[in-house]
Amino acid sequence: RKEVEQDPGPFNVPEGATVAFNCTYSNSASQSFFWYRQDCRKEPKLLMSVYSSGNEDGRFTAQLNRASQYISLLIRDSKLSDSATYLCVVNGGTSYGKLTFGQGTILTVHP
Amino acid sequence: GAVVSQHPSWVICKSGTSVKIECRSLDFQATTMFWYRQFPKQSLMLMATSNEGSKATYEQGVEKDKFLINHASLTLSTLTVTSAHPEDSSFYICSAMGTDFAKGFTETQYFGPGTRLLVL
Repeated sequence: RKEVEQDPGPFNVPEGATVAFNCTYSNSASQSFFWYRQDCRKEPKLLMSVYSSGNEDGRFTAQLNRASQYISLLIRDSKLSDSATYLCVVNGGTSYGKLTFGQGTILTVHP
Repeated sequence: GAVVSQHPSWVICKSGTSVKIECRSLDFQATTMFWYRQFPKQSLMLMATSNEGSKATYEQGVEKDKFLINHASLTLSTLTVTSAHPEDSSFYICSAMGTDFAKGFTETQYFGPGTRLLVL
């Protein structure tokens, strides 16, 4: 079983749509959780951290369920510029700072 | 936010040559840097963790004698791919993590722009 699993997609949605991505992780000792976005042939960029209480940043909402070891990202009112690969990332908790990346979910927003 | 640079941004070299990639944290001190590799259509895979002034910690399956890491200062880590072969062609990305509380950096990793290596 992969340490971090995501539905690879691709998700093709029209502008203005709401889209949700899911992610599960296997290490129950994981302590920090993040969503990164990666544009084609570019480095990952931090989108948002994910907190136990859930958190929102504009059109983006992240949720964490520690009991189910499940993380989600909701994007509302999709923009063309949201097209990217979204990476679910988990700090393993055993090695300082070591991040484990999911394989990414591809999102394409079309006019 | 924090700025991390990598140099060079791309390299094309002949099989058997060594390639050195630099990773710099430009506006904060990074006690820990990480080196990742990403093959096409795959996710980032951690190669090694680099701590300033000490030996790097390599992930399972990564040859330490082939991928030499040096973290000589709090702002610079280097990865040298020795005797590169075509199968080493990949996108190499570093990240830097610091604890500059004044700027609000606490265990957040910031990634460099990556280095594309093509070994012919």
